[in-house]
Amino acid sequence: DVKVTQSSRYLVKRTGEKVFLECVQDMDHENMFWYRQDPGLGLRLIYFSYDVKMKEKGDIPEGYSVSREKKERFSLILESASTNQTSMYLCASRVRDGSNQPQHFGDGTRLSIL
Amino acid sequence: AQSVTQLGSHVSVSEGALVLLRCNYSSSVPPYLFWYVQYPNQGLQLLLKYTSAATLVKGINDFEAEFKKSETSFHLTKPSAHMSDAAEYFCAVSDQAGTALIFGKGTTLSVSS
Repeated sequence: DVKVTQSSRYLVKRTGEKVFLECVQDMDHENMFWYRQDPGLGLRLIYFSYDVKMKEKGDIPEGYSVSREKKERFSLILESASTNQTSMYLCASRVRDGSNQPQHFGDGTRLSIL
Repeated sequence: AQSVTQLGSHVSVSEGALVLLRCNYSSSVPPYLFWYVQYPNQGLQLLLKYTSAATLVKGINDFEAEFKKSETSFHLTKPSAHMSDAAEYFCAVSDQAGTALIFGKGTTLSVSS
């Protein structure tokens, strides 16, 4: 089974801090994704990566950046955290040429910005 | 552009009753469709997927969904609800590039005894 591991389940940070959310997958998947989940809004794509050092903006990239230095690891960075970035963050991975293949999700990181 | 609409943000059923969660999609290309379930404090787990092989798709835990092109629908059903089915359910469609998923806003299913 695919395992997608997010480094923290719960995280509390302060406004203005630089925040790193880490995600690791163990199935050699090329594609990795970061979503944000808010009540009543579903999941919204922040960034995705289709290869090492490659990235593409999703629907809501403002205030975020990403890093993919190794194939198995995809990091989401909040450059200067703000209270409106309090949310649940979900990481996912998938094989490259697999639009008919499902994405596999981690358990999420619930981030609170005070 | 692709989009997904889930009708009803909350659905309540009694244990043993039929579960019906509605999903309509908009797609300019033949769609790949997915249903995911999210239990409290967990990530999303795949229930089933439609990839054009068959219009009636069976998934885990006795869930199934029927793809109806004429109605642009992909509703999720289960003949008999169980208390453990209480969760949030998301319908999703592959985007036009086949890269990311576009999710509906989710439906919370409550099951009462």
